[in-house]
Amino acid sequence: DAKTTQPPSMDCAEGRAANLPCNHSTISGNEYVYWYRQIHSQGPQYIIHGLKNNETNEMASLIITEDRKSSTLILPHATLRDTAVYYCIVRVVNYGGSQGNLIFGKGTKLSVKP
Amino acid sequence: GAVVSQHPSWVICKSGTSVKIECRSLDFQATTMFWYRQFPKQSLMLMATSNEGSKATYEQGVEKDKFLINHASLTLSTLTVTSAHPEDSSFYICSASWHSGSSYNEQFFGPGTRLTVL
Repeated sequence: DAKTTQPPSMDCAEGRAANLPCNHSTISGNEYVYWYRQIHSQGPQYIIHGLKNNETNEMASLIITEDRKSSTLILPHATLRDTAVYYCIVRVVNYGGSQGNLIFGKGTKLSVKP
Repeated sequence: GAVVSQHPSWVICKSGTSVKIECRSLDFQATTMFWYRQFPKQSLMLMATSNEGSKATYEQGVEKDKFLINHASLTLSTLTVTSAHPEDSSFYICSASWHSGSSYNEQFFGPGTRLTVL
């Protein structure tokens, strides 16, 4: 079972920031927080991941609380093309060893509206 | 990010026939490939994991004799749905990643293959 809890749906106005929350209260020390998204009828797309520090890349920012029990994915200026299902996943990462599987939950369906 | 392709993008077949789906990593060598299945309005479910040159590891409840996986090279994995039935109709998605020593990259997903069994 997925170890994360996300709201089933959210709306966002085009051009505004989209803030997608995720709860992962049972996260363990060697589990990273990953975000993927899936546009309708396409394969998932990797967005960002982090352990405990905030992360930013060209797509999004990831804010992880100090206790690591929740996080927020921020799309700074949402466009219509950002309409998708966003998945928050916690995953074990062992450098030099095997990686944990990606367990997809139901995700959050983000609808960006004009 | 790295590019993963799948072929075909969609396929329609008659019940009882076998269907092969290819997954290729185009710009990197994939030490590990994954196969997922997604039914309408549901999330992705991992079916199996395969490492190049090794037998695939199947998730609980996935029939290995029905879903044959071959990962013969570092850029190609195939999934064959044998004796397909209408309940096998689904969206099949592969992903690929590599790891070497302490380095690894993320799972990059293919665009998916829509299988419809009549």
